[in-house]
Amino acid sequence: DTGVSQDPRHKITKRGQNVTFRCDPISEHNRLYWYRQTLGQGPEFLTYFQNEAQLEKSRLLSDRFSAERPKGSFSTLEIQRTEQGDSAMYLCASSLWTVQETQYFGPGTRLLVL
Amino acid sequence: KNEVEQSPQNLTAQEGEFITINCSYSVGISALHWLQQHPGGGIVSLFMLSSGKKKHGRLIATINIQEKHSSLHITASHPRDSAVYICAVSSMDSNYQLIWGAGTKLIIKP
Repeated sequence: DTGVSQDPRHKITKRGQNVTFRCDPISEHNRLYWYRQTLGQGPEFLTYFQNEAQLEKSRLLSDRFSAERPKGSFSTLEIQRTEQGDSAMYLCASSLWTVQETQYFGPGTRLLVL
Repeated sequence: KNEVEQSPQNLTAQEGEFITINCSYSVGISALHWLQQHPGGGIVSLFMLSSGKKKHGRLIATINIQEKHSSLHITASHPRDSAVYICAVSSMDSNYQLIWGAGTKLIIKP
């Protein structure tokens, strides 16, 4: 399978704990995006990378959130001191950036904070 | 006002009916995307278009750049088409990142 993969698919954690998610993009894709989707809403942009550089962060991404893409391949999204409001589906997408790009989505990581 | 508006929010139809989902946007775009999301979260890109019309199987997507409007049509709808359909635009103002509509939840009854 050469699509975008995410790990884990589901995560249940207690409030205050730290969690880390991983995204493996399609191998030749240079852009990687993180989105968050809460129930009944469309996805919200969090941040994106072009290669290893994090080019933009949404205001939604509080100081408790950090994302990395150290070698321009896989990316991690860490949430520190989780809160119940962090419960959502975290989606990763990748693309080969051109003026008109198609983003390919991973299956998502569903986070539940108790 | 949201930059990308979809209608209807919910749509229930009988198998075989012709389905239309609409999307209007207010920003300058380089492309418009239609995506499908099944229960469980997986998102699949259906179309990316910047002008005219595209067809794939029973799905047809059209866009009118002047009117800033796009439609997604499903012909001969089937229960397996039941999903959330999301319109998203690549905005020229935000480095081509996607701005998402809220989605249309479609249920096709047998």
